Amino acid sequence: EPEVTQTPSHQVTQMGQEVILRCVPISNHLYFYWYRQILGQKVEFLVSFYNNEISEKSEIFDDQFSVERPDGSNFTLKIRSTKLEDSAMYFCASSLAGYQPQHFGDGTRLSIL
Amino acid sequence: GQQVMQIPQYQHVQEGEDFTTYCNSSTTLSNIQWYKQRPGGHPVFLIQLVKSGEVKKQKRLTFQFGEAKKNSSLHITATQTTDVGTYFCAGLHNSGYALNFGKGTSLLVTP
Repeated sequence: EPEVTQTPSHQVTQMGQEVILRCVPISNHLYFYWYRQILGQKVEFLVSFYNNEISEKSEIFDDQFSVERPDGSNFTLKIRSTKLEDSAMYFCASSLAGYQPQHFGDGTRLSIL
Repeated sequence: GQQVMQIPQYQHVQEGEDFTTYCNSSTTLSNIQWYKQRPGGHPVFLIQLVKSGEVKKQKRLTFQFGEAKKNSSLHITATQTTDVGTYFCAGLHNSGYALNFGKGTSLLVTP
């Protein structure tokens, strides 16, 4: 069964540094998403992406965050200047269409020191 | 803002007992999706409910969507140790495609 893949599985970064999290969505899916989950808490929406542009973003997704689809397969989340409170599990998801089920990758655990 | 509430937060049952988790939205949903997350894992899609009053079954799991499309429930009959994990409901509102997750119900099943 096709799946969403994310790299790296764990990223440790110094506060203030830039970090890029990578995702390969399911190949025929058109909608891509980033979510985050702080340890022990619920999954929170960050951003959705369709047709090479952001379609929706949450209050969490401020100017420090950006997303990109640099080629036909990758979907990246960049945090420009990381803060301690950015430490979380970041999940990428994709769906065939906007109202279709979203399929999640294994996540990247981001630890900010 | 749009909120999805889920109860209970935790549930500890003996193997063979039933389990139910409830989800309630402050606003009408276009659809609701249910996910299961094992400790250290990622949310795994279980089911999507779209129609008012819809009921779907997957083996021992029964999912319901309320008539007003504001609440939903997941019922597991005769739990097994493999059912352990956190069950999340996640609602889609008419305004977009962002899943709004509940806080989840963590299920522990002891043999």
